[in-house]
Formats: sequence, C-alpha cells, structure tokens
Amino acid sequence: EAQVTQNPRYLITVTGKKLTVTCSQNMNHEYMSWYRQDPGLGLRQIYYSMNVEVTDKGDVPEGYKVSRKEKRNFPLILESPSPNQTSLYFCASSFLATGELFFGEGSRLTVL
Amino acid sequence: AQRVTQPEKLLSVFKGAPVELKCNYSYSGSPELFWYVQYSRQRLQLLLRHISRESIKGFTADLNKGETSFHLKKPFAQEEDSAMYYCALETSGSRLTFGEGTQLTVNP
Repeated sequence: EAQVTQNPRYLITVTGKKLTVTCSQNMNHEYMSWYRQDPGLGLRQIYYSMNVEVTDKGDVPEGYKVSRKEKRNFPLILESPSPNQTSLYFCASSFLATGELFFGEGSRLTVL
Repeated sequence: AQRVTQPEKLLSVFKGAPVELKCNYSYSGSPELFWYVQYSRQRLQLLLRHISRESIKGFTADLNKGETSFHLKKPFAQEEDSAMYYCALETSGSRLTFGEGTQLTVNP
C-alpha cells in the first residue's frame, strides 16, 4: 500500500533529551516535508526536501534538524527539545510540482 | 510574502443547508490553490485543486484573482462533511503554505 509512515505516533519526553521522528514513503516521491499543527495556527512548515541531500528551511525551522540521505526517508531531529515544541507533527511527500501532498498519520509529541 | 487566511476557525451548519468556507490569499506570483480535508481519525488528504476545476463530493471552489479568494462551497451539506478544512497555496518549488483551518460541523 502506498503511504507515508511516521514513528513514533505518540511520545512524551523531557526537556533536553534528543529525539528523532522518522518518516518513510514508498511512492518514490522527490519532495518531502515536515509540518507542525497547533490550534489556531494551522499547519506550519518546518523543513522540506526536494531530493536526496537537498533540504531547506520552512517557516518555523528553529530547534529542528533534518536529513535526506535516502529518497524514501526524511527524519526530523530535535536535538534539545523544549516545551514549546509540544505539537502534532506531520510528514508529507509528493512528486515535484503536483501540489498533491500525501500525509502521514501524525506524531503527537509532548515535551515536559 | 505569501499568506493564506481562513477567517472562520469554526463553522456550524445544518444538514441540507449551503456551506461556504472562506479562503483568501496573498501572493505576488501566479497562484496554485488547493483545499485539503482531514476527517476524524483519518489522514489529511487533498480534496480539490483549482486547476482541475472539478467537483469532489459536491464541493467546488472558484479562484477569484481580483478578490484573491478561493472559497469552498457546497449547496447541500451532509453530516459526513464534518471535518477540518485547510486552504493551501503552492509557491515555488512545490512548497505549500496552509491557512489556519476551518472546523466544519454539519448538524443533523
């Protein structure tokens, strides 16, 4: 089944403890992106990647890192999480210039 | 800079009533606009895009460049239309900028 898979789906952690949220897609999409969803603020883009080894900042990149070593994977790294990074995170992918993003199920992160 | 605004965070209508979800955008280039929907317990998914000019699940949206709007409309709302709706603008390099979202509730 064609899909975007994120892990973990739920995570509670403490301030400063490094964590990684993985994202994998099996549709051979060039474009991958991370969003965070917060009440009243909608979806805000954190980072995106247009192909392997090509990544760029979105609208809210502070406190996050990403890498794109393989086409199918696009992990989101929080080196030193803080409570203001408590949010629902979505990974998405698409073919370039189609506008049709395919989303993962979301990862709910709580930083205490 | 590009921006998408959905002025209504919550919208409640009765079944069978018309519904309109508003979306306004600002963008200096030629806009490509989309509506995405998130039903309860489901993934966010594409509902429709302006370039295809199609009707999906009875919904239509017309791009009005003069008013910089892309409102989503349905003449007769159904209970299964209850969901979170996001308007999105595609800018350079496949980037999508989303609005704040509108939670639609269709009451029986």
